[in-house]
Amino acid sequence: GDSVTQMEGPVTLSEEAFLTINCTYTATGYPSLFWYVQYPGEGLQLLLKATKADDKGSNKGFEATYRKETTSFHLEKGSVQVSDSAVYFCALNYQGGKLIFGQGTELSVKP
Amino acid sequence: GAGVSQSPSNKVTEKGKDVELRCDPISGHTALYWYRQSLGQGLEFLIYFQGNSAPDKSGLPSDRFSAERTGGSVSTLTIQRTQQEDSAVYLCASSSIPTSSTDTQYFGPGTRLTVL
Repeated sequence: GDSVTQMEGPVTLSEEAFLTINCTYTATGYPSLFWYVQYPGEGLQLLLKATKADDKGSNKGFEATYRKETTSFHLEKGSVQVSDSAVYFCALNYQGGKLIFGQGTELSVKP
Repeated sequence: GAGVSQSPSNKVTEKGKDVELRCDPISGHTALYWYRQSLGQGLEFLIYFQGNSAPDKSGLPSDRFSAERTGGSVSTLTIQRTQQEDSAVYLCASSSIPTSSTDTQYFGPGTRLTVL
């Protein structure tokens, strides 16, 4: 069945460091891919998405490129801030309906 | 406009009791979803309502779980005879184009359920 695998956390970085959170997926077709973020004490928010191969989603300095050849959607940011500390979830949607989520990666950014 | 709202925000109950969790979706959204977020299982899909179609119940973990959506808007998730393993955060989401994989789901703040 369809699935999403994320790199395990927690990830701890210093402010202004480069961030990569790996995400790979398994799907029978061509899904849309999403990154959601959950800040401490808050609900899930959409961070970015990409709906077809080679699309790049971007928001708040974060980027992720839909790579069909490697079935990946890695999240990157060039310079993280303390305010980026949160749990990040990669997800896919294949035919509409339910989202399938990865297990989440906790990011902690230290000043 | 208003986002997805859920109530209560926290619920503490005793093992064996029934609980009801409520979700108010974004106005005009035809699709409504329930997910569960727990430490051991991550984010799991529970059930999905789309318009007047029969709901997709494929994620409900047992027959103690049920949900309904009245008038195409508000939804209630009911857990009967709660068990300690039901302790989790229950998330509701809604969306406007559910038949497309590109559709964005908007999440509520969740209800934290603790079963003692």
